[in-house]
Amino acid sequence: DTGVSQDPRHKITKRGQNVTFRCDPISEHNRLYWYRQTLGQGPEFLTYFQNEAQLEKSRLLSDRFSAERPKGSFSTLEIQRTEQGDSAMYLCASSIDSFYGYTFGSGTRLTVV
Amino acid sequence: KNEVEQSPQNLTAQEGEFITINCSYSVGISALHWLQQHPGGGIVSLFMLSSGKKKHGRLIATINIQEKHSSLHITASHPRDSAVYICAVSNSGYALNFGKGTSLLVTP
Repeated sequence: DTGVSQDPRHKITKRGQNVTFRCDPISEHNRLYWYRQTLGQGPEFLTYFQNEAQLEKSRLLSDRFSAERPKGSFSTLEIQRTEQGDSAMYLCASSIDSFYGYTFGSGTRLTVV
Repeated sequence: KNEVEQSPQNLTAQEGEFITINCSYSVGISALHWLQQHPGGGIVSLFMLSSGKKKHGRLIATINIQEKHSSLHITASHPRDSAVYICAVSNSGYALNFGKGTSLLVTP
């Protein structure tokens, strides 16, 4: 296991289209997090899963955003009807629990044109 | 929400200099994290600490719980240390709360 994988690395989409990102965490990590980072800012929390349960969602996660983690393994983040303001780096991280460090993926950079 | 402030925002140093990046936060935490982010986005966890001091190679991280303050030191800095260094805190909840980062450039 080489770490947290995110796919795709880059995505360019037209405004109004739907996009889906995938995150494969480290296999023994039961916690999975999605963050969004815009230029010059630190990452902002979007949502958190413990196993397959989505336990927390940020107010940043509007109705156009949905995340799933079926069977507590990989996770997907879908954005419907993309807007230019959705352009950002979407980061996934996983951990065993809150007492251990986090491992981050390389992120998916979304550009909405 | 825990407010996390980092200073400086930008830092340029010459190779070999001793570097200090500071982080302060507003409410009690369970742990503080120092992370490194290179251009292109990948984030690497450097340290997680809840008290005292940790050292790894040329990197040293300290935390003062009473003062709600942490520092990241880089000794004998090198151009390959150039990156954004981010401080993040975790409470008893789930998510990390991040600072905006300190952009470090080390020139030869």
